[in-house]
Order: sequence, then C-alpha cells, then structure tokens
Amino acid sequence: DAGVIQSPRHEVTEMGQEVTLRCKPISGHDYLFWYRQTMMRGLELLIYFNNNVPIDDSGMPEDRFSAKMPNASFSTLKIQPSEPRDSAVYFCASRQVGGYTFGSGTRLTVV
Amino acid sequence: RKEVEQDPGPFNVPEGATVAFNCTYSNSASQSFFWYRQDCRKEPKLLMSVYSSGNEDGRFTAQLNRASQYISLLIRDSKLSDSATYLCVASDAGNNRKLIWGLGTSLAVNP
Repeated sequence: DAGVIQSPRHEVTEMGQEVTLRCKPISGHDYLFWYRQTMMRGLELLIYFNNNVPIDDSGMPEDRFSAKMPNASFSTLKIQPSEPRDSAVYFCASRQVGGYTFGSGTRLTVV
Repeated sequence: RKEVEQDPGPFNVPEGATVAFNCTYSNSASQSFFWYRQDCRKEPKLLMSVYSSGNEDGRFTAQLNRASQYISLLIRDSKLSDSATYLCVASDAGNNRKLIWGLGTSLAVNP
C-alpha cells in the first residue's frame, strides 16, 4: 500500500493567489481528515469526511477555506485568496479502524 | 487553557537513560488516548494507544490515570533513534472520531 499521498510537497505562493492541496487516502479507509500544523497552535483539525461526506467543518478558519471529496480516492483543500497567516504544514490523514495514517504533508508558504 | 497540555521540553538524555513524559487533558469525558511520534519535518506516526490498565510495547510503556486526567509515556533504555517529538492525543469528548492534540514534547537522546 502506498499510504496516504499528498501533493504538492511544497508550495510557495503570493498573497491573494488560490492554492489547492490534494490528497489520496488509503484505499478502503472511510474517514479522511485535513489538519493544519503550526509551531504556535500545533495540529488543528480543519474538516473531516466519512464516506466522502463532510461531517464536521467547524475547524475551517473562514470562508476562504473549502474542502471537497468527490470520490473515495481523492480530496482537495482549497484556499482562496491565500494570506501569509495561512503558511503552515497541511496534513491529510485517513482512518479505518485504529489510528490515523498521515500523508507526508504539504508545506505552504504564502509571501 | 489548552485541552491537552504537555511540557514542551526539550528533554536531553544520554543513551540508555529512562525518560518519562506526562500529559494532562481537560475533559474528563474523553474516551481514547494515544501517543504519536513526529520526526523533524515528517508526519506524525502512531506510537501506541493508551489504556486504563496500562500497556507496554517493548521499551515503551503508556499509562492513563482517569482520576487525575493525565497520561504518561515511559521510554526505557533510550536510543539515539528515539529522538523526536512525542505528541499526546485525546479524543474529543463528544466525538470519538475527533482528536485533540498536544503541542508535543521534544526528546533528544545524546551519544
């Protein structure tokens, strides 16, 4: 199994630009989570899906953030427009039974 | 007050030492607890779940004290490869699918 696959690994963008992060969960995992990690706030849950349906998006910072899961093998997190304070590492994780498996993360820098 | 609190460290110990980390959680209704390990610039990986009866995995022992709302991790005979950040995690009281993460405790094992 290839694990949870995220792309891109690194993204540097200018303030105001749209950013799209991608995630392919482990096949058969029915939960998918998007997290953001910063030094000051640690890991924060943004949104999670169960069987492709968004269940809880209470962690999404504001309307600039949106997430979709059109099918069981793909999810996106979009930031539009991006701001410097969005700079962080964004992780996707999937889960079936037991603990989470995280992807390698996308390191986003907004300048 | 953060819901899951850890001493950030860093803990600097020599090889072969025994080191213990504690973590406190604020919501007594949390049901599930975990320790994750995160290497520098990598994703978190599950180290072990934590049960009330205590559990051991090789050199690692985890304990849960529900009365005092704290979780511990003991590492015996520490190795250089144990150097990492250790994340304490508790499930959200109202939703076992959501995890609340501590900021982590940094461990450096020195030769």
